[in-house]
This record gives sequence, C-alpha cells and structure tokens, in this order.
Amino acid sequence: DAKTTQPTSMDCAEGRAANLPCNHSTISGNEYVYWYRQIHSQGPQYIIHGLKNNETNEMASLIITEDRKSSTLILPHATLRDTAVYYCIVNPGSARQLTFGSGTQLTVLP
Amino acid sequence: NAGVTQTPKFRILKIGQSMTLQCTQDMNHNYMYWYRQDPGMGLKLIYYSVGAGITDKGEVPNGYNVSRSTTEDFPLRLELAAPSQTSVYFCASSPAFPSSYEQYFGPGTRLTVT
Repeated sequence: DAKTTQPTSMDCAEGRAANLPCNHSTISGNEYVYWYRQIHSQGPQYIIHGLKNNETNEMASLIITEDRKSSTLILPHATLRDTAVYYCIVNPGSARQLTFGSGTQLTVLP
Repeated sequence: NAGVTQTPKFRILKIGQSMTLQCTQDMNHNYMYWYRQDPGMGLKLIYYSVGAGITDKGEVPNGYNVSRSTTEDFPLRLELAAPSQTSVYFCASSPAFPSSYEQYFGPGTRLTVT
C-alpha cells in the first residue's frame, strides 16, 4: 500500500484558505487519493477523492500534481467548524478499506 | 435516513468479560467495516464485510469476531476483554456503486476495559 506523509499540525486564520499538503511518492497508477476529516472524536467524514485530475465539490478542492506524488486539499474559506484532524489516504484496497495515518491537526483561529 | 447507528455509546468492561457492539445502517450499503481508534492515533481496520454472509479480517482482528447475517447489521463481538482493547470503535458502511469510495461512519462506541 502507498504511504502518505502529512504535517502533524497547521494553523489557519478564519476566512482564509487552508492548504493541507500530502506526500504520497509511492502511489501507483490505479490508486486514488482520498481526504477525510475527523472533528473532535466524531466518526470520520468523507471530503473528496481523486485519481489524477483536480477535483472540486461543495466542501473543498483537491489538487494532485502531474506526477501524482503529492496533493493539496484546499478549504477555500476556513471557518472555526473546520478545526479537525484531516487524513490523506491512498489505496483503499480490494474492499475499499481505508488505511488511516496520523493526519494533520488543522486549527482555524478566530 | 438515520445513517449508521452504533450502540452502546459508552461501556466499561472488566477484564475477561465479553460484549457485542452493535452496528446498523439503513442505506442498503453492501460494504461494512469495523475500525478501532486508540488515543492520538488514526483508525485501524478490524474486520470488514462485502455483503451478507461474507466477512474478512482487517489489520487488527485478534480478540474480535464478526458476523453479517443481514445487509443492515454488522455486530462486533469481543471475547475475553483485555485492557489493550480499550479504544473507540467506529462502524462504517459504503455502497457498492456509484460512489463506492465514500464511507459513512457511525458516532462510535467508547470502550474501557479495566
């Protein structure tokens, strides 16, 4: 399975864009990049996923580099409610299993 | 839809006791999963199921058992509870298609074994 590397923590000012990086240099051609977040010990929440094209939905944008070795999750206008641990995950496995790392603790500051 | 529901929310067990964590989903999802999350760590997969009657081990299956007799229910059984099983347990489900890569999580069961 491809491994991911994320910063342990990041801060962002409320109303500004939050850019969360993820390195996945060993990703293989058929593996997707997923982002989930977990707010204060609640169950994780799906945010977005992509293969090689950039993706956008109502929550966030996902930018994947052309070589697919890294990606960035962008929350365009962070709010205090976006304070959470953000997990970057690749390779869901044959049954869509998710392998969670330690994630990035994003703190949105007022 | 209630989504994924888990019971109980909290439980304290003594060493050696057994219990079943209940998980039910009302979205008619084929896939279901059990994860555990230790303090400050990411989630680890315990067991998963791709449909009724089919289960398989995940990363950390020792000390647990599962069954899947219906599409809706996926109970997790702990036999002979140990302190190492103190954790938060999350159940999740996902559809086979079209968006098969999005998992929906329950609120979790917080278990303490003393």
